[in-house]
Amino acid sequence: GAVVSQHPSRVICKSGTSVKIECRSLDFQATTMFWYRQFPKQSLMLMATSNEGSKATYEQGVEKDKFLINHASLTLSTLTVTSAHPEDSSFYICSAREAGRYEQYFGPGTRLTVT
Amino acid sequence: AQKVTQAQTEISVVEKEDVTLDCVYETRDTTYYLFWYKQPPSGELVFLIRRNSFDEQNEISGRYSWNFQKSTSSFNFTITASQVVDSAVYFCALLMEYGNKLVFGAGTILRVKS
Repeated sequence: GAVVSQHPSRVICKSGTSVKIECRSLDFQATTMFWYRQFPKQSLMLMATSNEGSKATYEQGVEKDKFLINHASLTLSTLTVTSAHPEDSSFYICSAREAGRYEQYFGPGTRLTVT
Repeated sequence: AQKVTQAQTEISVVEKEDVTLDCVYETRDTTYYLFWYKQPPSGELVFLIRRNSFDEQNEISGRYSWNFQKSTSSFNFTITASQVVDSAVYFCALLMEYGNKLVFGAGTILRVKS
């Protein structure tokens, strides 16, 4: 149980284009989903928290117009990196949490490379 | 402010050795939750354990055991008879009772050599 999928696992895009990453909870309803960014050999940095049907709450320093988050259903959240630049290259990880639970279950991550 | 410190950046052991990963946390809240996650080279974080602040009972799961000491604000993780498959980055994390945000430690890289 508690499986979270992420798609795609790897994506390479050209500078200036937009990329959408999907995060799905496969066997539970995720009332809250989280998006993280992880740089090499570093810990996870929370980018934003989203509750189903509500606007996402972004962490300080994260541009909400650049990283668009949509949590339209209890099993799906998307992160769109708009007008990507090479500095957006990173490992993006989503996690999901069920209502009334404290554990976050993580997706396998998406490696984004912007050329 | 909440903080999690994993002072060991990297640990190397030989297979079958026991190894303890340290985690020290800071919070003023009386109710909170502590977690350990494993991140193997594949990148996916795997949930290992959650411990509530009001439950100081230690836990054992196979070769894994956890020692929660409120008096020293520590939540250490021991792997007994380590195996090569245990090689990964291990993160300790803290969650406040009414919070959403997991506060992660910097992680400890564990390398188990055969």
